[in-house]
Amino acid sequence: GAVVSQHPSRVICKSGTSVKIECRSLDFQATTMFWYRQFPKQSLMLMATSNEGSKATYEQGVEKDKFLINHASLTLSTLTVTSAHPEDSSFYICSARSTRAIVAEAFFGQGTRLTVV
Amino acid sequence: RKEVEQDPGPFNVPEGATVAFNCTYSNSASQSFFWYRQDCRKEPKLLMSVYSSGNEDGRFTAQLNRASQYISLLIRDSKLSDSATYLCVVITNTGGFKTIFGAGTRLFVKA
Repeated sequence: GAVVSQHPSRVICKSGTSVKIECRSLDFQATTMFWYRQFPKQSLMLMATSNEGSKATYEQGVEKDKFLINHASLTLSTLTVTSAHPEDSSFYICSARSTRAIVAEAFFGQGTRLTVV
Repeated sequence: RKEVEQDPGPFNVPEGATVAFNCTYSNSASQSFFWYRQDCRKEPKLLMSVYSSGNEDGRFTAQLNRASQYISLLIRDSKLSDSATYLCVVITNTGGFKTIFGAGTRLFVKA
């Protein structure tokens, strides 16, 4: 099946620094990728929809200037957490939809566990 | 009202039991439906797609009722390895595709 690779899988950073997370679709083109955040014992929450060649669409309550999304190619989207704070510590997961299948399904990256100290 | 709602759980069942999860969705224009499984601290993985005609894969059966906007997952002969969180996932296309997750139902299968 389609594969989505996310990097890094784990990162620890100091408060105030920025962290970039990459999401790549390895064997298919993804014009749209999704970024999710999951706090402990909570559901995946959609943060933003990343559109290749255009601006991302952010969900209500998600600061676009804090969570910068770049989708410069059909196989790569990046999420940059700027000026990270301890409350940004979470599990971030990207997904991409494969439109090749009859029924489009979402494939997920391995996730990035961000810890801000 | 949440776009996708699931049974709160957790479900604690003995090995061999049959367990059913329910899910409802609010957007009647929703197009695709899935059940995903998520193990602790891991990414969700596709368990099975859900069709109106029903879908069976071994011990797992998924059903979709578009009229009632209701999805179900039935697990027969539960195994210890079935312990996980099961996520109901709905894909809609209103002003762009969006994948919506239910909050998930936690299942514990005990020996």
